[in-house]
Amino acid sequence: DIQMTQSPSTLSASVGDRVTITCRASQSISSWLAWYQQKPGKAPKLLIYKASSLESGVPSRFSGSGSGTEFTLTISSLQPDDFATYYCQQYNNYCTFGQGTKVEIK
Amino acid sequence: EVQLLGSGGGLVQPGGSLRLSCAASGFTFSTYAMNWVRQAPGKGLEWVSAISGSGGATYYADSVKGRFTISRDNSKNTLYLQMNSLRAEDTAVYYCAKEPVPGTMWYYFDYWGQGTLVTVSS
Repeated sequence: DIQMTQSPSTLSASVGDRVTITCRASQSISSWLAWYQQKPGKAPKLLIYKASSLESGVPSRFSGSGSGTEFTLTISSLQPDDFATYYCQQYNNYCTFGQGTKVEIK
Repeated sequence: EVQLLGSGGGLVQPGGSLRLSCAASGFTFSTYAMNWVRQAPGKGLEWVSAISGSGGATYYADSVKGRFTISRDNSKNTLYLQMNSLRAEDTAVYYCAKEPVPGTMWYYFDYWGQGTLVTVSS
C-alpha cells in the first residue's frame, strides 16, 4: 500500500499569508496526486488534480507542484474562506489520503 | 448541476447490516465510475469501494473486503453500499463520490455527496 504523509498537521496563519503544505508518498506516484479542501461538517472539495492542474472554479491563488514522491499545495495569499483542512490523495494505485493539514487562524 | 444525495445511515448494533444509497442527478450516471469514501469522527478520509459505470467491475479496501458490497442501478441513477458484519470501527460518515472522466476509473473525485452517518454501537 502507498502511504501518504502530510506536514505540518496544523498550520497557523494570517489572512494574506503565503501557505505551503507538503505531501510525501511512500513510493513514486508520478503525478497522480489530488488535493482537497474540507470544512467542518461538509464534504471535501477537489482543488487540484494531476499534481498541478487546477479544478474548474477553484481560485488561482491555489497551486500544486511536485512529482514522484514529494508534492506541495500553495495558497499564495490566504483568504478568510481558506481556513479549513486540506488532504492530499494519491491515485497511482487505487486511492490513499494523507492525514490532513488543518489551516487555522493565527 | 451535479447532485449526489446519500441516505440510509443510522445506528446499528455490532454484527448488523445496513444499506446506504446515493441518488445521482445532473450527469449521465451510467458512464461514470462511482466510489464510497468514509471518515470516522474527527479522523481523516478513507477510500472504501469503487464500481465501474456498467457495474461490471468492483474494488474494495482490505478493511471492508468480504463484508461490504458496492452496486448500482443505472435505471434508477442510484449507487448502493451493502454493509454486513458491521464493527465499531466502521462508524463514520460515508460519502459517495463521482469520478471526473467518463468511462474510466481514476480514483479521484470531482463531486461528493453530503455524507450519511453510520454508527455501530450496542
